[in-house]
Amino acid sequence: RKEVEQDPGPFNVPEGATVAFNCTYSNSASQSFFWYRQDCRKEPKLLMSVYSSGNEDGRFTAQLNRASQYISLLIRDSKLSDSATYLCVVNSGTDKLIFGTGTRLQVFP
Amino acid sequence: SAVISQKPSRDICQRGTSLTIQCQVDSQVTMMFWYRQQPGQSLTLIATANQGSEATYESGFVIDKFPISRPNLTFSTLTVSNMSPEDSSIYLCSVGESDQPQHFGDGTRLSIL
Repeated sequence: RKEVEQDPGPFNVPEGATVAFNCTYSNSASQSFFWYRQDCRKEPKLLMSVYSSGNEDGRFTAQLNRASQYISLLIRDSKLSDSATYLCVVNSGTDKLIFGTGTRLQVFP
Repeated sequence: SAVISQKPSRDICQRGTSLTIQCQVDSQVTMMFWYRQQPGQSLTLIATANQGSEATYESGFVIDKFPISRPNLTFSTLTVSNMSPEDSSIYLCSVGESDQPQHFGDGTRLSIL
């Protein structure tokens, strides 16, 4: 079993749609969780950290379920500029981050 | 967050040669990391670059193939040695503290002929 698993997609959605990505992780000792965004041929950039209580940043909402070892990212009112690969990232329990393979999102007009 | 500069941004190399990639940070950081991202794949950690001591390598990566230097708290290099086409990849350095998010340089795109 992979340490961090994501649906690779692609998710093709129209502008204005709401889309949700899910991620599961295997190490119950993980303490920190993040969503990164990676545009084609660019480096990953931090989108948001994920907290137990859930957190929201504008159109983006992240949720963590420790019991199920499950993380989600919800994007509301999708924009063309949201098209990218979204990486689920989990702290391994040490200083290392484990990256999921990413979920590709394509927003069309 | 820290500004991280990588050089070169891209290169095309002959097999059997070696290339050194530099990573410069605009502030002192404790932890620096080197990753590889092969085409269509996610990021794989190569090693943690430790200041003043040998790097800590992940399973599948060895010092002879990927020697790393970390002479101070703002700079590190990764060398890809005796390159083969399988080493064609994007190489990324990152910085981060403990369980905080990491921030990445803009990567080095390497192609081996």
